[in-house]
Amino acid sequence: GAGVSQSPRYKVAKRGQDVALRCDPISGHVSLFWYQQALGQGPEFLTYFQNEAQLDKSGLPSDRFFAERPEGSVSTLKIQRTQQEDSAVYLCASSPWDRGLAYEQYFGPGTRLTVT
Amino acid sequence: TQLLEQSPQFLSIQEGENLTVYCNSSSVFSSLQWYRQEPGEGPVLLVTVVTGGEVKKLKRLTFQFGDARKDSSLHITAAQPGDTGLYLCAGHASGTYKYIFGTGTRLKVLA
Repeated sequence: GAGVSQSPRYKVAKRGQDVALRCDPISGHVSLFWYQQALGQGPEFLTYFQNEAQLDKSGLPSDRFFAERPEGSVSTLKIQRTQQEDSAVYLCASSPWDRGLAYEQYFGPGTRLTVT
Repeated sequence: TQLLEQSPQFLSIQEGENLTVYCNSSSVFSSLQWYRQEPGEGPVLLVTVVTGGEVKKLKRLTFQFGDARKDSSLHITAAQPGDTGLYLCAGHASGTYKYIFGTGTRLKVLA
């Protein structure tokens, strides 16, 4: 069965460019998470969607970061005016749960963003 | 700010040895998960523990959630080279949708 896919897998951007990272979750999964993982560290929460509603965006590091999931399936994470500190792996995870004590998150392979 | 500290950060052991990885916080979590991540891939969920004091076994892996739901441990018996990877704990922050990931333990099992 198809898992979570992300594209592109690698992205090199010049400082100041805008980038868009795509996440295709597992079909039917209600919940979708975005994380940022710096080299050698654990993932850091960015934002959470329940269907098309963005219920938590407390982890977005600045107003240059924007995420959307307009039809409750595919999601896009957009970073405007990229900075070198944005270089990281961006992970997307989907989950079939929309409530409860635990979300079984299924992660995509990530997009490695390098800002030069 | 909720933090999850993992120890050790790095561990290199011989095949057949046992090991324990710790995940500690001063905060209470409603549930805690353990993941394994390999290079170039996303984390893969190993287990979810929900109840304080809960113990779960997955073949050679034993997971325990602390009584106060602030800490957890992962014990691997008779480690194999296939166990090599980055082990991450992740706590679900009560009343939020947020998962807080630990700092990670990089395990290498030598044949």
